[in-house]
Amino acid sequence: KNEVEQSPQNLTAQEGEFITINCSYSVGISALHWLQQHPGGGIVSLFMLSSGKKKHGRLIATINIQEKHSSLHITASHPRDSAVYICAVSNFGNEKLTFGTGTRLTIIP
Amino acid sequence: GAGVSQSPRYKVAKRGQDVALRCDPISGHVSLFWYQQALGQGPEFLTYFQNEAQLDKSGLPSDRFFAERPEGSVSTLKIQRTQQEDSAVYLCASSLSIAGGSYNEQFFGPGTRLTVL
Repeated sequence: KNEVEQSPQNLTAQEGEFITINCSYSVGISALHWLQQHPGGGIVSLFMLSSGKKKHGRLIATINIQEKHSSLHITASHPRDSAVYICAVSNFGNEKLTFGTGTRLTIIP
Repeated sequence: GAGVSQSPRYKVAKRGQDVALRCDPISGHVSLFWYQQALGQGPEFLTYFQNEAQLDKSGLPSDRFFAERPEGSVSTLKIQRTQQEDSAVYLCASSLSIAGGSYNEQFFGPGTRLTVL
């Protein structure tokens, strides 16, 4: 079993829809990261959180430490949101990231 | 430069050839990470430096892989006698590493896509 699992693997939605991507992890963590990767492009950090909820524009990230679960939400989705969204965790005393396999999101105009 | 840069962006190597991949982290960033991303997969950790010290190399898949950061800035990942299974995108990331904690945002470079024929 992977330490970090994401669902769904692929998600296609119409422009304007509310998007939810889920991440579950099996080990104790110090922080959870949500990252965005465009085709052929580098990785951009969206959020880093260890508790509660963070919001940036149309993006919202939540984490439930007890349930070892995090969600990334996108409101009023737009075709430019099409990318791979990756969940990653860092463990106590170690900065290295352990990644999920990513969720490929496609927003259709 | 404002971000992490990597060179070359693309590298095609014949099987058995040695390659060297370069990473220029953000100036002043203490921590530097190398990750390997196979096609359709999430990145996987290779090795980690704090300044010039290689603190963790547990992710290096074989002794053909070697990384260095001699002056605590630029890093080079070297792969000897490349094999087809080494084909992947190699990502470099750096972080400021305030207080050496695990709460530091990592900034990623664009990656080097290595194809071994």
